Amino acid sequence: QQPVQSPQAVILREGEDAVINCSSSKALYSVHWYRQKHGEAPVFLMILLKGGEQKGHEKISASFNEKKQQSSLYLTASQLSYSGTYFCGTEGTDKLIFGTGTRLQVFP
Amino acid sequence: DGGITQSPKYLFRKEGQNVTLSCEQNLNHDAMYWYRQDPGQGLRLIYYSQIVNDFQKGDIAEGYSVSREKKESFPLTVTSAQKNPTAFYLCASSISELLAGVYNEQFFGPGTRLTVL
Repeated sequence: QQPVQSPQAVILREGEDAVINCSSSKALYSVHWYRQKHGEAPVFLMILLKGGEQKGHEKISASFNEKKQQSSLYLTASQLSYSGTYFCGTEGTDKLIFGTGTRLQVFP
Repeated sequence: DGGITQSPKYLFRKEGQNVTLSCEQNLNHDAMYWYRQDPGQGLRLIYYSQIVNDFQKGDIAEGYSVSREKKESFPLTVTSAQKNPTAFYLCASSISELLAGVYNEQFFGPGTRLTVL
């Protein structure tokens, strides 16, 4: 039931765009996104809820396709600070189940 | 400032020894979680607790034990039964999904890096 993330890794130059996908084998009510910088704790980015409601703290956009059971995170005009590993989290029984992560590296 | 703390940051253990990792939060969250992270891997759930004096096994609970005697504290003991304990351990907390009706954001501590010598 672990969500599958793609791609596994992305390398970008500053200013380029990236899309990170998260797919689940089961119907979803919500999807979480977190970012973890190397050696640090994951930090919450946003929650996408069924019906379109979105809770977030940064200027990063995302979509949630309920029919496809998929969420996508859009990173536009990437900055060096965007580097890190991005995890999606989907609902399990009483808990979140995190994907294996997508490693994003942004170079000058 | 409210937050979640873990100690120690680095921990070294000899094979066969039990060791306890501390996790404390002052966010007044009911739910707390322990995750294990191996290099290049995602977050795997060890144990979680939604309320004081109650906790459930996660996906990889074997070789670990927890207690939840206080709302603020959720210590994790890595026992000698855990055959490969070297990893990065993360503690998190959240508003309990049982009350909010939706899975709320999790706040993570800085982590403890455990190395078995």
